[in-house]
Amino acid sequence: DTEVTQTPKHLVMGMTNKKSLKCEQHMGHRAMYWYKQKAKKPPELMFVYSYEKLSINESVPSRFSPECPNSSLLNLHLHALQPEDSALYLCASRGSAGDIQYFGAGTRLSVL
Amino acid sequence: SQQGEEDPQALSIQEGENATMNCSYKTSINNLQWYRQNSGRGLVHLILIRSNEREKHSGRLRVTLDTSKKSSSLLITASRAADTASYFCATVAGTASKLTFGTGTRLQVTL
Repeated sequence: DTEVTQTPKHLVMGMTNKKSLKCEQHMGHRAMYWYKQKAKKPPELMFVYSYEKLSINESVPSRFSPECPNSSLLNLHLHALQPEDSALYLCASRGSAGDIQYFGAGTRLSVL
Repeated sequence: SQQGEEDPQALSIQEGENATMNCSYKTSINNLQWYRQNSGRGLVHLILIRSNEREKHSGRLRVTLDTSKKSSSLLITASRAADTASYFCATVAGTASKLTFGTGTRLQVTL
């Protein structure tokens, strides 16, 4: 099973809402990633978790708050977002044996 | 920015033709990977080439790597409509195990 599952697929939220994105994998991977992707652009790395600990934060604004409750699950908590945060949010995982990342299908986020 | 560059930005070909896209990067690397992204979906890993390799094949894909020029190319032979997607190169350098993506090439294959 090489699947990374992201929920929800689509999310519309107002600037005062609080919502969460969820990512799950059962491949036993211990590294998990959040990316943000704008239209016609490459993915931009936001956060990296390694063995459930935050190892990289690419200077992401505090309105994005990641959480890794266990080795299979990664959340991204959203609060007080801006319209420019509208994007496709991708989760990925990587096994310890190599550098290949497995991506979920993404959450399409619209901030109104 | 350490982001790599890809060219062309967009490529339109007919089914059965070959498609070549190029990637240039800026730093020494451990490996270079190619990913495909169908419209609005997640990325799918296609192929990985290590820094000590010069060429690699996988099915209809051929990847070359020239570390002296810091460049790579992806050739898709006998293209199909289903190959229509965006293609990204991504490099891994040092010990960080994070991908640095190129700007991407949008490939359109028409019948």
